[in-house]
Amino acid sequence: DIEMTQSPPSLPASVGDRVTITCRASQSVSNYLNWYHQKPGKAPELLIYGASNLQSGVPSRFSGSGSGTEFTLTISSLQPEDFATYFCQQTYGNPRTFGRGTKVEVK
Amino acid sequence: QVQLVQSGTVVKRPGSSVKVSCEASGGTFTTYTFNWVRQAPGQGLEWMGRIIPTLNIIDYPQIFQGRVIITADKSTTTAYLELNSLTSDDTAVYYCTRGTGRPPEAFDIWGPGSLVIVSS
Repeated sequence: DIEMTQSPPSLPASVGDRVTITCRASQSVSNYLNWYHQKPGKAPELLIYGASNLQSGVPSRFSGSGSGTEFTLTISSLQPEDFATYFCQQTYGNPRTFGRGTKVEVK
Repeated sequence: QVQLVQSGTVVKRPGSSVKVSCEASGGTFTTYTFNWVRQAPGQGLEWMGRIIPTLNIIDYPQIFQGRVIITADKSTTTAYLELNSLTSDDTAVYYCTRGTGRPPEAFDIWGPGSLVIVSS
């Protein structure tokens, strides 16, 4: 199985901050890397697919980069509604696997 | 716009089975994949398998082989997850989610989740 490692597990931040989350795959997943966020009690929502493609309807302050084994999600200016848990996911191979999540919380 | 409508909360005894449903309201199955992902309380996301209804392709991760059955009814655009030999570790929210089906695949639509509680 391809293991996805996210860092940091927790990220204290303030509104307006630039936030970067890292995801590392245990083997190359090419650009088959997606990012989701999840708010308490809600289902995850797709933000970025194919490592760097913004899902329709997602604000442009979200961006993704990377390929192979190293990926980043960046929020250029954190907004109040962005406090949530962020997950990366690889769909290069089966089983599909997720990172353990990064909780962006109020500093 | 397609919405995924899931069955409600259920409480099950250890050793029993549960079947969760997911109706794709407002759309058809076409070539999408339908995946099941679960989340135990306070934990991360775990993929349980997928079905491509139009191709009758089903994949399960090794960890769930023999305990999970995923099916789909094209006439009602409903996917099902059946999980057998339940233990307390299976207490979780079970999400149905649509995969785009084309690489690089992503899960673009999610149901609200079905809570399964396993308790004696």
